[in-house]
Formats: sequence, C-alpha cells, structure tokens
Amino acid sequence: GDSVTQMEGPVTLSEEAFLTINCTYTATGYPSLFWYVQYPGEGLQLLLKATKADDKGSNKGFEATYRKETTSFHLEKGSVQVSDSAVYFCALSFYGQNFVFGPGTRLSVLP
Amino acid sequence: GAVVSQHPSWVICKSGTSVKIECRSLDFQATTMFWYRQFPKQSLMLMATSNEGSKATYEQGVEKDKFLINHASLTLSTLTVTSAHPEDSSFYICSARGEQGANNSPLHFGNGTRLTVT
Repeated sequence: GDSVTQMEGPVTLSEEAFLTINCTYTATGYPSLFWYVQYPGEGLQLLLKATKADDKGSNKGFEATYRKETTSFHLEKGSVQVSDSAVYFCALSFYGQNFVFGPGTRLSVLP
Repeated sequence: GAVVSQHPSWVICKSGTSVKIECRSLDFQATTMFWYRQFPKQSLMLMATSNEGSKATYEQGVEKDKFLINHASLTLSTLTVTSAHPEDSSFYICSARGEQGANNSPLHFGNGTRLTVT
C-alpha cells in the first residue's frame, strides 16, 4: 500500500540554521503531496502542498519540491526561528481521498 | 477560509461515562469528515471516515460501538466515546476536505480534543 517515510527526529537546531526534513513516499501513480505542522496541543495545519511533479510548494519561508524521480518531497527552510518548533508531518493523497501521513518529525529550535 | 472547529478542546471524565466531541466546518460544506486519534509523540491514526447522511466507515480494529460517529449535516460530525476507560485517553482530531473530489484539496484539521479518563 501507499506509505510515507520521514527522517527520524527529534531534530534540534540553533536559531537561523538551515532546515531539511526528508520525506519519501511509495505510491502507485502520482499523488498530491502535503506538509502539515502541529504546534503543541493543537491540531494540524496545512503548511504547503504540491500536486504534480516538479511543483514547488512554499509558505512562511518553507519550501518543498515534488520530485517524481526520487519520490521525495523534502521540506526546507533557510533560517529557522524558535517559533518553528513543532512536529512536521509529510502526507500524500489521491484526489483528496485516503490521506496517508508519515510518522512526523519533531523540530526543536534553540535560541 | 476552510476552518474546522472542534469542541471541546479538552475534557476530563470518569471511567464509564460517555463523552461527545463535535467537529464543525465553519465556512464550507463537508460531506466527508475524518476522525483521527493520536498517541503521545506518534503520528495520526485514522479511526473512521464520517459520511453525511450515511453510516461511518471504521478502520480495522476500531470498535464502532464504542466510538459512535454521527454526521447529521454538511457541517457537523460528532464522535461519542461511550463507556470511556482510561485506555481511551488520547488526543482526538477531526478533519474535513475542502473541495470535494479535487486532486489537490488538502485536509483541514480541528485543533483536537484532549480526552483524559480517570
């Protein structure tokens, strides 16, 4: 079945460091890909998305590019802030159905 | 747009009682809503898919008689945890799709409900 794999956390960075959280997927066909963020005690918020190969999703300084050849959707940010500390989930979906989430990666940014 | 409101945000109840959690789509209609459960430091586990006007579809291993789902309107789905026990303590999150059937439609999540059963 379809699956999403993320790098294991926790990831601890200093403020203004460069962030990469790896995400790879296994699916039959070409799903839409998403990154969600969960702040402590809250639900998930959509961070960005991409619907086809080579699309780049971006929001709040975060970016991710849909790479069909490597079945990846790595999340990047050039300079993280303390307020970016959260859990990040990579997910895939076909036609808005059957979302599959990765295990989540916890990010801690230290001042 | 596409706001999902979940209520209550936290609840403490005694073992054996029932708890109802509401999930509302505030500015869009949602024929389908999803209920997830999340254990500490773990990912989301899909419990069931709630369909407006019909029975919910439960994932394998989820007791439908324990977790009652009602989706009576296009903007409201409820999850009732019946005869709650301490092992039901968890974080429950609902979500709804924005544009129905669109390939790129994301899920919009409520803020979750922290249930503690004593």
